Amino acid sequence: GQQLNQSPQSMFIQEGEDVSMNCTSSSIFNTWLWYKQDPGEGPVLLIALYKAGELTSNGRLTAQFGITRKDSFLNISASIPSDVGIYFCAGQGTNDYKLSFGAGTTVTVRA
Amino acid sequence: DGGITQSPKYLFRKEGQNVTLSCEQNLNHDAMYWYRQDPGQGLRLIYYSQIVNDFQKGDIAEGYSVSREKKESFPLTVTSAQKNPTAFYLCASSVLVRELPYNEQFFGPGTRLTVL
Repeated sequence: GQQLNQSPQSMFIQEGEDVSMNCTSSSIFNTWLWYKQDPGEGPVLLIALYKAGELTSNGRLTAQFGITRKDSFLNISASIPSDVGIYFCAGQGTNDYKLSFGAGTTVTVRA
Repeated sequence: DGGITQSPKYLFRKEGQNVTLSCEQNLNHDAMYWYRQDPGQGLRLIYYSQIVNDFQKGDIAEGYSVSREKKESFPLTVTSAQKNPTAFYLCASSVLVRELPYNEQFFGPGTRLTVL
């Protein structure tokens, strides 16, 4: 699978701040997924997106499927200490049910 | 509780030894996957299986082998041919959908393999 471009690579944020990260691909995707991984654990699915332009929320998390189908964004509002972790994007192409993953965005929250 | 279990959590291996990592799921999922995770990198697919007794190579299959004798189980063997096996290994599963365009994969807790 192809590697997605995920940015930023890492971020330090103040508790209460809003956070944004994004993923881009050179190929069109049918599905975008966002996962969070705590240290030493497996990734946990946060949000799944299936349609271009779709905007989906899960608590303080909001993700969008880019209109071009080549990008996706994840926003975290009012960050709290438990938001610490690595956030991965993943995409599924048009002719393949395998997933391609971004390298991850490491989020560290300053109390 | 439905979920995916991996064992052991930590595994140490001497160079030249084969080791087998266990992955079991009780989600009744058809498809199962093995990924390798290295620091600062995304997950890379080693092998995947859509159905019992069938599996396909992923992007980095060299030095690894798998079997799928039961729907619930998908063990991964790291052979001595794998030159740099120290990594975090993740197993995942998903419903295999042929008509629907999405594929949500659910992950186990991982096995950290260290070669001594």
